[in-house]
Amino acid sequence: EVQLVESGGGLVQPGGSLRLSCAASGFTFSSYWMSWVRQAPGKGLEWVANIKQDGSEKYYVDSVKGRFTISRDNAKNSLYLQMNSLRAEDTAVYYCARAKGYGDYVEYWGQGTLVTVSS
Amino acid sequence: DIQMTQSPSSVSASVGDRVTITCRASQGISSWLAWYQQKPGKAPKLLIYAASSLQSGVPSRFSGSGSGTDFTLTISSLQPEDFATYYCQQANSFPRGITFGGGTKVEIK
Repeated sequence: EVQLVESGGGLVQPGGSLRLSCAASGFTFSSYWMSWVRQAPGKGLEWVANIKQDGSEKYYVDSVKGRFTISRDNAKNSLYLQMNSLRAEDTAVYYCARAKGYGDYVEYWGQGTLVTVSS
Repeated sequence: DIQMTQSPSSVSASVGDRVTITCRASQGISSWLAWYQQKPGKAPKLLIYAASSLQSGVPSRFSGSGSGTDFTLTISSLQPEDFATYYCQQANSFPRGITFGGGTKVEIK
C-alpha cells in the first residue's frame, strides 16, 4: 500500500523558516517524480514544486522561487521542502504527492501538514 | 503560464441527477488533463487522467471528455458520496509546472 506521511508543519513568524518532510513507503520511491501541492484555507489547489527521480531536475511555481527548495533522499525514501522567508500567503496545508507513471498527474497524496505563517 | 477556468463554481443537484462540469484551458493542452475529487478535510483523489481515462477503482458513472482547450467531467447519476469539490488540472506544461482549476463544489439540492 502506498503511503505518504508529511511532517514538519506548524506556526512560524513571517520571515521565518520551516522544513517539511514526507516519508514514503509501499512503492519504489526512486522511480517517481514527486511534488508538493498546497491548499490555502478555503481555497483551491496550487502546485508548489516537483523533483525528478534522481533529483537532477527541480521546478517551482513563480511565487516560491528563490525561497523554497525541494529535495529528496532516495536512500531514506524521503521528500523535503525547505521553506525560507515565509509570508502570510504561504499559509496552507502542504501535500506530498506522487506522480502517476511519467509524472504529469498526481496519483497518490499524503494527508497534508498545515503551515501557518503569522505573528 | 496556462490558466484553467472551471464552471460553474458551484452546482446544486439531487441524488440521481446528471452533473456536468466544464474546464477551459487558456491555450491548447491536447489531452493533458486530469480531474480530482476532494472531500472536506481530505486529500484530493484522482478520478480521470489523459482527459478521458478512468483511474483504477473509480466508479464508471464518472467520465471525462474533451481535447485542446475545452473539457468536461460528467457524473451520470449523482450518488450521496459524490458531493464534494472537483478540480481539473493541466499537465501540458509538465515538468515545468502543472496548474489546477479553481474548483467546482457539488452541493446537495
